[in-house]
Amino acid sequence: QVQLQESGPGLVRPSETLSLTCAVSGGSITPYYWSWIRQPPGKGLEWLGHIYSSAINTYNPSLKSRITMSLDTSRNQISLRLTSVSAADTAVYYCARGTWGVTPWGLGTLVIVSS
Amino acid sequence: QSALTQPTSVSGSLGQSVTISCTGTTNDVGAYNSASWYQQHPGKAPKLLIYDISNRPSGISTRFSGSRSGNTASLTISGLQADDEADYYCSSRTSSGTLVFGGGAKLTVL
Repeated sequence: QVQLQESGPGLVRPSETLSLTCAVSGGSITPYYWSWIRQPPGKGLEWLGHIYSSAINTYNPSLKSRITMSLDTSRNQISLRLTSVSAADTAVYYCARGTWGVTPWGLGTLVIVSS
Repeated sequence: QSALTQPTSVSGSLGQSVTISCTGTTNDVGAYNSASWYQQHPGKAPKLLIYDISNRPSGISTRFSGSRSGNTASLTISGLQADDEADYYCSSRTSSGTLVFGGGAKLTVL
C-alpha cells in the first residue's frame, strides 16, 4: 500500500523560498504522475501542479513563475519549490498520486509564512 | 482559472439521500470525463470518492455515486450516516491541462 509523507520547514519568512519533499513508501514513484495541492486554513483546495518527469509537468498558471516540482527517483520522493512566498502561501500542503482523480494523499504539512 | 461552483452547504437526515452539485463550463466539467469527488473530515486529508464522473475507487461504499449532465457534475450520497458529515470537493480537468477544484460543500447530517 502506497503511503506519502510530506516534510519541510513549518515556518518560512516572507520573500524566501518554500521547499517541501514528499517521501513515497510502498511503491515506486515511476511511472506515475504526482500532484501538489494546498489548502489555506479554513479554506478550500487549490491545485498547484503535477509532474511525471522533469520534462513533463504542468503548473497552476497563477503560480507558474514561482513554482518548480521535481522527482528524485533514487530517494523515491517528489519535491516542491515555491519562491518569493507571502502570507497568502500559508497553507497545508499535500502531495498525492495521479492527475485528475488523485489518490492516495499524504497527511499534509502546515507551512506558515511569517516574519 | 475559475473555481467550479458548489453549494456552500447541504444537509440531509440520517438514512436519506443528498445530492451535491458542481457546476463548471464547456472548458472543464462539460468537456472531459474527469470529474472527481473528495471527502474531507476536519483535520484530515481529502479522500477520493469518485473519479471519471462515476467510478468508485476500491473500498469506497456504493452509497456514493456520481453523474454528470452538461456542465454540472453531481455526487449523490444515499443512506446518510453520521460519519458522512464532512466537506466535499469536486474537481475537473480543464482545457488548459490543469486541474480546478470546487469551493467545497459542507454536509450536515441531521
